[in-house]
Amino acid sequence: GQNIDQPTEMTATEGAIVQINCTYQTSGFNGLFWYQQHAGEAPTFLSYNVLDGLEEKGRFSSFLSRSKGYSYLLLKELQMKDSASYLCAVRDKRKAAGNKLTFGGGTRVLVKP
Amino acid sequence: NAGVTQTPKFQVLKTGQSMTLQCAQDMNHEYMSWYRQDPGMGLRLIHYSVGAGITDQGEVPNGYNVSRSTTEDFPLRLLSAAPSQTSVYFCASTGQGGGNTIYFGEGSWLTVV
Repeated sequence: GQNIDQPTEMTATEGAIVQINCTYQTSGFNGLFWYQQHAGEAPTFLSYNVLDGLEEKGRFSSFLSRSKGYSYLLLKELQMKDSASYLCAVRDKRKAAGNKLTFGGGTRVLVKP
Repeated sequence: NAGVTQTPKFQVLKTGQSMTLQCAQDMNHEYMSWYRQDPGMGLRLIHYSVGAGITDQGEVPNGYNVSRSTTEDFPLRLLSAAPSQTSVYFCASTGQGGGNTIYFGEGSWLTVV
């Protein structure tokens, strides 16, 4: 099975940086996803990591260490619109699993002026 | 492009009633899934399918049935609704290559009274 942990809530100031950690324990790993979800909306894709290291995409970066079962999402130059929940999800390795994702509980980020 | 279409968007049911949540995708995707999301929590997998005629249980399958008679459609049936099934339901699809882009529908808000 899979077990994914991330903090419940974080608060940061506009223009600052916030790092959301995600730790996972899995019987089979085939990639880690980060999604952003605004209240009342569907999750939207932010990043994907399958190899160790840092993936940068504009203001958002995601890091993965497979040996440590650890990832983080880094949000730079925070804007008010970044207030949302951020979901960490791990994909099952088995081909027969299709694109099965196991999600963490989500981290609610509140950006203050 | 329509992407992943879910209906209805909102539904109120009485305990014991049955209903079907519809999900359709027009991208010829092999993999489709149903998730539920309870307040303040991440998504949990209900059922998934890796192709027409093939379905399997996810993490929380009890009380739900699915079928996949065509590639495009993946309906979720609640046979006898219970208040514990009050939740937001998301349908998702992706291509057989296990692509990194997983498309979510807009969600269906279900309340069982």
